[in-house]
Amino acid sequence: NAGVMQNPRHLVRRRGQEARLRCSPMKGHSHVYWYRQLPEEGLKFMVYLQKENIIDESGMPKERFSAEFPKEGPSILRIQQVVRGDSAAYFCASSPQGSNTGELFFGEGSRLTVL
Amino acid sequence: DAKTTQPTSMDCAEGRAANLPCNHSTISGNEYVYWYRQIHSQGPQYIIHGLKNNETNEMASLIITEDRKSSTLILPHATLRDTAVYYCIVRVAQNSGGSNYKLTFGKGTLLTVNP
Repeated sequence: NAGVMQNPRHLVRRRGQEARLRCSPMKGHSHVYWYRQLPEEGLKFMVYLQKENIIDESGMPKERFSAEFPKEGPSILRIQQVVRGDSAAYFCASSPQGSNTGELFFGEGSRLTVL
Repeated sequence: DAKTTQPTSMDCAEGRAANLPCNHSTISGNEYVYWYRQIHSQGPQYIIHGLKNNETNEMASLIITEDRKSSTLILPHATLRDTAVYYCIVRVAQNSGGSNYKLTFGKGTLLTVNP
């Protein structure tokens, strides 16, 4: 049973370009969470999605950032017109529908470097 | 979610028990205590959680005080691979609608296991 898969693991972009990070949740999981970890800091919640719905995007920056979790395919975190401050590790987590344990399963992260 | 307080760092000798404290004096009656850890450059990993009874699994034991204002994570025989940042988080496990809530990570405790 494969875990949460994130790709790319490492991504380098120049200022102004777009970054797309993909997350495939564990099989059978319908909830996806995105977190961001800036260098030397803790993980910060960004967005929580279920299939085709954004449930909580309270941690998403107001501009340039968007997320989706389509009916088919992985969840996508999209960052438009990247700036150096977007350089960070972006972690995706998933959990199954109806889980009452509160356990989230995290991927290994995508590390974005903006030059 | 209730706020938690953890020491910034701790050291432990390999093979000895590691006892990681966490204060959560404002915890509510329906909030659970969760522990996650993050080994350097990896995604967070679930360890254990509990409500008011002590819990044990193959990774660790969780001791929650009777008043639930603090807890201790115990790694019975620490190894070098247990060196990581350990996060204590309190939150409700599941809302009445059956959805999962996000986890709010603090700064955690950096546990260094020494040979």
